[in-house]
Formats: sequence, structure tokens, C-alpha cells
Amino acid sequence: EAQVTQNPRYLITVTGKKLTVTCSQNMNHEYMSWYRQDPGLGLRQIYYSMNVEVTDKGDVPEGYKVSRKEKRNFPLILESPSPNQTSLYFCASSSYRVSRGDTQYFGPGTRLTVL
Amino acid sequence: AQKVTQAQTEISVVEKEDVTLDCVYETRDTTYYLFWYKQPPSGELVFLIRRNSFDEQNEISGRYSWNFQKSTSSFNFTITASQVVDSAVYFCALSANQAGTALIFGKGTTLSVSS
Repeated sequence: EAQVTQNPRYLITVTGKKLTVTCSQNMNHEYMSWYRQDPGLGLRQIYYSMNVEVTDKGDVPEGYKVSRKEKRNFPLILESPSPNQTSLYFCASSSYRVSRGDTQYFGPGTRLTVL
Repeated sequence: AQKVTQAQTEISVVEKEDVTLDCVYETRDTTYYLFWYKQPPSGELVFLIRRNSFDEQNEISGRYSWNFQKSTSSFNFTITASQVVDSAVYFCALSANQAGTALIFGKGTTLSVSS
């Protein structure tokens, strides 16, 4: 089954404790993105990747890192999480740029709480 | 500027009623794409439909239909004979060259269908 998976689905952590949210897709997609969803703000892009070893900042990259060492995986790293990073996070993938009309498929979401 | 406006924050209907969710978009691109996603209470984002700017034909899929009108920059979504399982947050989204690699999401409309 074609899908985007994320782990963990739920995470409660404390300020400053490094964490990684994994994302994997089995559709051989080139483009992958991370979004965060916050009440009243909708979904905003954090980082995206156009292919292996090619990543760039989205609209809200501060406090996050990503890497793309393999085509299927695109982990999101919070090196020193803070309470304002409490949010619902989505990983997404598509065959090519969304500006060319491709559909982004989203993972199930990771609900992160930083105390 | 790229923007998507979903003016209806919340809608409540009774089962079997028809309901229309409004979406108004802004873009200066002549080629762009519009999407609808559904977010049920479980939290995942489910792709519903994609439309390109050159195709103004209305689309019907079962109880769902979409009305795309370039003249009013609208891409409205109608659910006919609503069911309790339709209760969710619905997002309209835009992709265009000037929007870069991100989908531009509206703030979402929460639909509650009661029995």
C-alpha cells in the first residue's frame, strides 16, 4: 500500500531534550516536506527536500533541522525543543514540485507536546 | 500574493442535509492547482481532489461535488445528503509557481454532522 509513515504518532517531551520524528514514504517520490499545524494558523511548511541531499527552508524553519540521506526517509530533528514547538506535525511527499500540480500525500501526523 | 480563504470556520448540519464549503483563492499565476483535503477527528490529512486552472468542469464523486469558477476565484465543495462520517475539518489548498514548493492552505472549515 502506498503510504507515508511517521513515528512516533504522539510524543511528550521536555524543553531542551533533542528529538527526531521519522518520516518514510514507499512511493519513490522525489519531493518531501514537513508542515506544522497550529490552531488559527493552518498548515505551514517547515522544510522541504527536492531529492537526496537537497533540502531547503520553508516558511517556519527556525528551531528545526532535516536531512535526506535516502530517498524514502526525511527525518525532522528538534535539537533543543521549546514549548512553542508544541504542534501537530505532518510529513508529505509528492513525485515532483507541487507548483507543477502534483498531489502531496500526507503522513498520519505526529502530535508533539513540549513541556 | 498567494492566499486561500475559507470564510466559514464552523458549520453544523443534520444528517441528510446538503452542505457547501466555500473556498476563495488569490494568485497571480495563470497556471495553478487547487486541492481539497479532509482531516477527520483521527487527525490524518486525506486528499480528496485536485483541479488545475485550465479545467473548469465541475466534478462529482459520489456524494461529493466541486464547483470551480475562475471568474470568482472560487473552488467550492458540496456534500450531498451529509452523513455523520463526513464530520471533519476540510482544507482548501493552492499550489502555484509563485508559491514555491509549499501548498498554501486555508484555515479550514470544521463540519459537524449530527444524527
